[in-house]
Amino acid sequence: NAGVTQTPKFQVLKTGQSMTLQCAQDMNHNSMYWYRQDPGMGLRLIYYSASEGTTDKGEVPNGYNVSRLNKREFSLRLESAAPSQTSVYFCASSDGSRLYGYTFGSGTRLTVV
Amino acid sequence: AQSVSQHNHHVILSEAASLELGCNYSYGGTVNLFWYVQYPGQHLQLLLKYFSGDPLVKGIKGFEAEFIKSKFSFNLRKPSVQWSDTAEYFCAGSGGTSYGKLTFGQGTILTVHP
Repeated sequence: NAGVTQTPKFQVLKTGQSMTLQCAQDMNHNSMYWYRQDPGMGLRLIYYSASEGTTDKGEVPNGYNVSRLNKREFSLRLESAAPSQTSVYFCASSDGSRLYGYTFGSGTRLTVV
Repeated sequence: AQSVSQHNHHVILSEAASLELGCNYSYGGTVNLFWYVQYPGQHLQLLLKYFSGDPLVKGIKGFEAEFIKSKFSFNLRKPSVQWSDTAEYFCAGSGGTSYGKLTFGQGTILTVHP
């Protein structure tokens, strides 16, 4: 009953460092998403993957890259972290149809100092 | 542009009070609407969803929402809140050309005092 698993749960980076946030789902969902959550701004879409082998930019893609490694896994990479990327990052998945909402992971709290 | 707006940033209620959280959307054509809840330190969980049919949608934990097309609204309601309802609530929508991509509102923090 894992659903969507994100690692790590917490991370502190120095400005300019790089890291990859991992996300895996075991629900055989086609679509996966990365959001960032900032106070008073709700969740904003960074990148999404409608199906294995495809990725597209969302609302706030600058400073990020993604890889849809296979149907289960969708990673988010920060190549050169900036303090503005301090946020809580959520991965989500869905079957891609209009019938269901998302299943969210538990989030990664990232601080860039 | 497609958008979802929540007008109340922070709502404070006493237990047993009635709740209504506002949500407005701007989508052309068919729209799918959702309410999610995020308890402190946890991830988002689906409360309820609307796709078509009966505009009054019932969800988990006694919550309901009404889709009013003429007002572009999808407000969340609960007749009597409990302390355990303290959380942040997000309205979200998809539709038009963006099926599958959810756009979230800014969120409403609900604090319920015992």
